[in-house]
Amino acid sequence: DAGVIQSPRHEVTEMGQEVTLRCKPISGHNSLFWYRQTMMRGLELLIYFNNNVPIDDSGMPEDRFSAKMPNASFSTLKIQPSEPRDSAVYFCASGQIGNTIYFGEGSWLTVV
Amino acid sequence: AQRVTQPEKLLSVFKGAPVELKCNYSYSGSPELFWYVQYSRQRLQLLLRHISRESIKGFTADLNKGETSFHLKKPFAQEEDSAMYYCALSPLSGGYNKLIFGAGTRLAVHP
Repeated sequence: DAGVIQSPRHEVTEMGQEVTLRCKPISGHNSLFWYRQTMMRGLELLIYFNNNVPIDDSGMPEDRFSAKMPNASFSTLKIQPSEPRDSAVYFCASGQIGNTIYFGEGSWLTVV
Repeated sequence: AQRVTQPEKLLSVFKGAPVELKCNYSYSGSPELFWYVQYSRQRLQLLLRHISRESIKGFTADLNKGETSFHLKKPFAQEEDSAMYYCALSPLSGGYNKLIFGAGTRLAVHP
């Protein structure tokens, strides 16, 4: 398996633009997680899904952030409109309930 | 409240010296504890989970429920161990396996 696949790997966008980050989990995994990593706040869990259903989105910073998982092999994290403080590395991770969670390589977002 | 505390932001040692990365947790039930490692600009990788009781790359970690600690240890550090290390907790209740991370400790091993 290729592991968790994220795209884009790097994105630079202007403030106010919409940003869409994509994730393909490992086949057979039924949990999917979105994390944000910054120097100031470390790793924060934004939202996670079990069997494509959002279980806990309490970490989503505000209404500008939204996440979807239309099927077991795809998820998106959208920021609209983006702001400079959203600059971070966004990690997607997947796992099977009760087992190890595997991370993607991250999407490096810079909002200028 | 569920919380993971890693008190040291940076741990700097010389090659061959022993290493201990501290991790304390706060959770009312019986959590599962993990150590993840992140080498420069790479993905997080699982290093250890307490239930497997393995030794990976010479690292070990013992869960101490009395002290609510899960410190990571290695008797002789190597330069290639330089990385960010994250302690994480997964609450077992509810059957969901989200991970709550500590702030991380950067280990720098000098020649």
